[in-house]
Amino acid sequence: GAVVSQHPSWVICKSGTSVKIECRSLDFQATTMFWYRQFPKQSLMLMATSNEGSKATYEQGVEKDKFLINHASLTLSTLTVTSAHPEDSSFYICSARDGGAGGRETQYFGPGTRLLVL
Amino acid sequence: GQQLNQSPQSMFIQEGEDVSMNCTSSSIFNTWLWYKQDPGEGPVLLIALYKAGELTSNGRLTAQFGITRKDSFLNISASIPSDVGIYFCAGQLMGNAGNNRKLIWGLGTSLAVNP
Repeated sequence: GAVVSQHPSWVICKSGTSVKIECRSLDFQATTMFWYRQFPKQSLMLMATSNEGSKATYEQGVEKDKFLINHASLTLSTLTVTSAHPEDSSFYICSARDGGAGGRETQYFGPGTRLLVL
Repeated sequence: GQQLNQSPQSMFIQEGEDVSMNCTSSSIFNTWLWYKQDPGEGPVLLIALYKAGELTSNGRLTAQFGITRKDSFLNISASIPSDVGIYFCAGQLMGNAGNNRKLIWGLGTSLAVNP
């Protein structure tokens, strides 16, 4: 199956600093990637849709100036949490859309990034 | 945001038993996906369904795309301890066009298997 990597797998930072998370599709090209946030024992919450070469589409309630997304190539999207605060601590997961043949598309997920803001 | 109705919320079974879980919605979907998530990991795709009535197997797992396009089920036969985890259904709404093909998610089914 298709492989998506995420880096780093975990990060601890001080309040007020910025953190960048990378999401890469390793064996396929993805014009669209998605960024999710997941709280303990809850489902995935979509934050934004990242489109290669254009601006990301943010879900309602997600601050675009707080969570900067860049999708500069067909295999890389980055999420930058700017001026992180303790309430930003969470598990962040990306996925990449694989178009597939005949419209049979799916999403493959990265392993996630655990962020802890002190 | 919109969510799928996934049930049961949790299951505790004996090793060797069969498991069934399902997702329903009032909306029509053109894709149903089933994922398994282990603690601290990202979801792993188990089965993808693209056609109403489609029945697909992956080893001991079987999933079906409901005829009405509003539901899907996942069955696990002869469960083993490594089946433990959280299972999520996800669907793509009919009519979602362009690049904004976001998924609608269920709340998950937590499965525990007693050896």
